[in-house]
Amino acid sequence: DAKTTQPPSMDCAEGRAANLPCNHSTISGNEYVYWYRQIHSQGPQYIIHGLKNNETNEMASLIITEDRKSSTLILPHATLRDTAVYYCIVRVGLTQGGSEKLVFGKGTKLTVNP
Amino acid sequence: NAGVTQTPKFQVLKTGQSMTLQCAQDMNHEYMSWYRQDPGMGLRLIHYSVGAGITDQGEVPNGYNVSRSTTEDFPLRLLSAAPSQTSVYFCASGDLFRTGGNGYTFGSGTRLTVV
Repeated sequence: DAKTTQPPSMDCAEGRAANLPCNHSTISGNEYVYWYRQIHSQGPQYIIHGLKNNETNEMASLIITEDRKSSTLILPHATLRDTAVYYCIVRVGLTQGGSEKLVFGKGTKLTVNP
Repeated sequence: NAGVTQTPKFQVLKTGQSMTLQCAQDMNHEYMSWYRQDPGMGLRLIHYSVGAGITDQGEVPNGYNVSRSTTEDFPLRLLSAAPSQTSVYFCASGDLFRTGGNGYTFGSGTRLTVV
């Protein structure tokens, strides 16, 4: 699976949009981009995933560049409760022989400030 | 409530003791896995299973055993605890990736200290 690069930390003001970048320059055409977050010492929480198109759900939006070498997770109106470590992961679809292994990097520590 | 249940939440072991960390899910998920997370580090995959009777190793399997006799349960066994196994352990479950499922659901963790 392709490796990802994320900034180690970011800050955001409460109520503003939080834009978390992820570089995955070696991504293949059959690799999905997944985002999880971990609040304090809780278990990680799935946020969103996508392949090519931009995706939106009740938690966030995922913007994937046309060349798919990078993506941005957007929390439209960040709250203090969004302070967490955010993980960007890429993985191969199993129809192309991918694995169920989900490998986490170190993520981005997002701090939402009042 | 549906979800992933891990027990115990906290445990202190002496070096050389054995124990089993329990993980149960009630969502009929085929996939289950165990991760460990050391202070300031990301999660590392220990073992995983894609269905009852099927298990495989992750990144850091040494010192741990698993079995999957039912869909619901995926216990993690520490054979002879060592201080290096002091960590927070997370269990996760989900639909198999090939079925197009969303992300995995994680438990709340077991905090293990080996003295």
